[in-house]
Amino acid sequence: DTGVSQNPRHKITKRGQNVTFRCDPISEHNRLYWYRQTLGQGPEFLTYFQNEAQLEKSRLLSDRFSAERPKGSFSTLEIQRTEQGDSAMYLCASSSPYNEQFFGPGTRLTVL
Amino acid sequence: DAKTTQPTSMDCAEGRAANLPCNHSTISGNEYVYWYRQIHSQGPQYIIHGLKNNETNEMASLIITEDRKSSTLILPHATLRDTAVYYCIAATADSWGKLQFGAGTQVVVTP
Repeated sequence: DTGVSQNPRHKITKRGQNVTFRCDPISEHNRLYWYRQTLGQGPEFLTYFQNEAQLEKSRLLSDRFSAERPKGSFSTLEIQRTEQGDSAMYLCASSSPYNEQFFGPGTRLTVL
Repeated sequence: DAKTTQPTSMDCAEGRAANLPCNHSTISGNEYVYWYRQIHSQGPQYIIHGLKNNETNEMASLIITEDRKSSTLILPHATLRDTAVYYCIAATADSWGKLQFGAGTQVVVTP
């Protein structure tokens, strides 16, 4: 399968723990995006990369969140000291410039 | 990016055309209209986009009014697998990185 993949698909953690999600984009895409989606709402933009450069971050991305794309290929999203409000679906997408975004299946985070 | 307004939900009979409306009365001249859909428990899927002219691809047709203040996504022969939330988004071509999703329209296709 040459689509966008995300791991893990599900993550349950206790409040205060750190979690890290991984996204593998479509190989020829140089743009990579992270979104968050809560129940009943559409996805909300968090941040995006062009190659390894993080070009924009939403105000939703608090200091506890950090995203990296060290070699311009896969990306990680880390949440430190998780809170119950962080429970959501975290979606990754990739694209080539000026083309549509292809989304992965998402990582569902549950913070207890 | 301009805000879009969509009905919360709509039903469609299998095999019939589904016409999904979207209002974007404040759309600016360089903003495209994009449609995505999200089937339950999956990531959003791109459907189609357009600027002024009507567009058609293998999934759907997009009809944009002449004043560009509204558009309609047409699924010509709805199937049960078309049951999903459909999102209409207005954005410039260089804002692909910031798709502003609303709540979308929940479409249920019934047998």
